[in-house]
Amino acid sequence: KQEVTQIPAALSVPEGENLVLNCSFTDSAIYNLQWFRQDPGKGLTSLLLIQSSQREQTSGRLNASLDKSSGRSTLYIAASQPGDSATYLCAVNAGGTSYGKLTFGQGTILTVHP
Amino acid sequence: GAGVSQSPSNKVTEKGKDVELRCDPISGHTALYWYRQSLGQGLEFLIYFQGNSAPDKSGLPSDRFSAERTGGSVSTLTIQRTQQEDSAVYLCASSLKAGANSPLHFGNGTRLTVT
Repeated sequence: KQEVTQIPAALSVPEGENLVLNCSFTDSAIYNLQWFRQDPGKGLTSLLLIQSSQREQTSGRLNASLDKSSGRSTLYIAASQPGDSATYLCAVNAGGTSYGKLTFGQGTILTVHP
Repeated sequence: GAGVSQSPSNKVTEKGKDVELRCDPISGHTALYWYRQSLGQGLEFLIYFQGNSAPDKSGLPSDRFSAERTGGSVSTLTIQRTQQEDSAVYLCASSLKAGANSPLHFGNGTRLTVT
């Protein structure tokens, strides 16, 4: 059974810092991995999707990497801003007949203070 | 364009009553997913549809839960004889097509409270 763990559970940083969020998974047979952010009382917003054949994806100040063999992904946020404050979730997709069944981590609560 | 729309946004119901939750996916998205988010449990998969068929219903917690999708668009999640442990936020998502490396786009959810 796939298990996804995110470290740290919470992170508080001053504005402008670069930061790294970590995600690890137990079964390396994945189809893709997706990073989301969730604001309080809202749904999830897709940030980046990394296919199993890819090593990284970039969007603006965000960069996500994937190391399938070691079961790890990182989300790098450059020059953090207060608007980046949210819960960040990673989710693993096993693909095949289980394509729709993402396995989520518990999330990292990020606070960026001015 | 419009995102995934869910209604109602909040629902309070008495234990034992039936509830229906609605999801309107992004236009053109053929895959639709239901998840549940509760404190202590995180996000749990319930069911997903490709078109009108549901290849994977393995996440439905009990036979009190059912879902349908008609016309390849709107979906309803029905919970019969609600119990207090059904209280959670029910999230719907859609994607272009299941199995195509297309990202999931989520709605804002329906917060269900069973009293």
